[in-house]
Order: sequence, then structure tokens, then C-alpha cells
Amino acid sequence: QKEVEQDPGPLSVPEGAIVSLNCTYSNSAFQYFMWYRQYSRKGPELLMYTYSSGNKEDGRFTAQVDKSSKYISLFIRDSQPSDSATYLCAMRYISGNTPLVFGKGTRLSVIA
Amino acid sequence: DVKVTQSSRYLVKRTGEKVFLECVQDMDHENMFWYRQDPGLGLRLIYFSYDVKMKEKGDIPEGYSVSREKKERFSLILESASTNQTSMYLCASTSPGTGRYEQYFGPGTRLTVT
Repeated sequence: QKEVEQDPGPLSVPEGAIVSLNCTYSNSAFQYFMWYRQYSRKGPELLMYTYSSGNKEDGRFTAQVDKSSKYISLFIRDSQPSDSATYLCAMRYISGNTPLVFGKGTRLSVIA
Repeated sequence: DVKVTQSSRYLVKRTGEKVFLECVQDMDHENMFWYRQDPGLGLRLIYFSYDVKMKEKGDIPEGYSVSREKKERFSLILESASTNQTSMYLCASTSPGTGRYEQYFGPGTRLTVT
């Protein structure tokens, strides 16, 4: 079982839809959770950052962490064509100077 | 803003050539990373470094080496390029001292080995 599982998609939605992107993980030692957005032929950029459980909102984006279920989500409200990108989840153990563990990414297309 | 730059956006090399990919960050970050990204395989960690002259193997170090002589610069070396090393290469950096650990990525180098 991989440490982080993420459905690769592709996911295609109409403009204005609510998008839900998800990752599951197996190791309960993960405490830092991130979402990156990657446009085609560009490097990933940090979109959302959360520590431990709970929700975090930033504009149209909401990140949710459910540690009891080992499940994290990214919600995009009022999706726009400019949201079309690959979204990668990433997480990190609570201790030690270790690299992030990434999901494989979900490719999202928002159709105008 | 953190800036991570990579020496080339696109590179075409021949099989057997020695290839150098350079990465520079301007935020005094201690940690630097090299990944390759392939369709269906996601980001795979090749090597990382916690400090100058230090290096750690990632998940797929075979066929690669790295050099970190200065804090801001981390080089990835393909000793003898092969066609299966055709990929998108991404460099990243972070500073554990901030307590946040998010990684900042460069724009990537798309390497084609023919």
C-alpha cells in the first residue's frame, strides 16, 4: 500500500461547479498537509497549508483534514477555467527533517 | 518571495552525454531537493540535501549524482544520459527553521535524451 493515494482523474467539471479533490494516507505520523497546484509545463506552487486536523479556508479554496479517517480534501467553490491544473497533495511527518510525501496528482479541467 | 531558478527550461542531449542540471534558490534555505516527474508516476525524489556538501538518496538515485558546494546551489548530474532519463526535472527548497516545511519549486527542466 502506497503511503499517499490520490485519484489521478482526469476530472472534468463545468464552470461554477464545486470541485472536491481527495487524498488518503496510511501513516498516522503525518501532521503537516499541503495542496499544490501545477499548471501545464510549470513547477508546482503551494496552494494551501494545514497543520493537524480541521479546516482552512482561503477565498474559493477550503482544505480539510480528517486524521481519524486519514483523509484530506481540497474543495474549490465556483470553479473557473483558470483552475484547470493538476493538484497534488503532500504531507510530512511530525518529526525529523524529512522530505514531503506527495500524491501522484489529480488533473482537473474546468469547462467554460 | 522565494525564488527557485533552474538553468534551462528545455534541454536535448544525446545518449551517453554527461548532463548537468543547475538549481539556485535565493532564500537561504537549508534543504534542497531534486525530483523527476513522469505521467502516471507523479513526483519521484532523486536526491536531497540538508546542508552544504551533504546529500541523501531519495527513492530513485540510480543513474544520478548531485553536488552542493554552496548553500544556494544544488546540481543534478546524469553521468551518462540514457533515453529512460527523458523526463521533467524539478528542483525544490525549504527551510526547516520556519517550522512549516513547505517546499518551493522551480519551473522545471524538460530533458529529452535521444
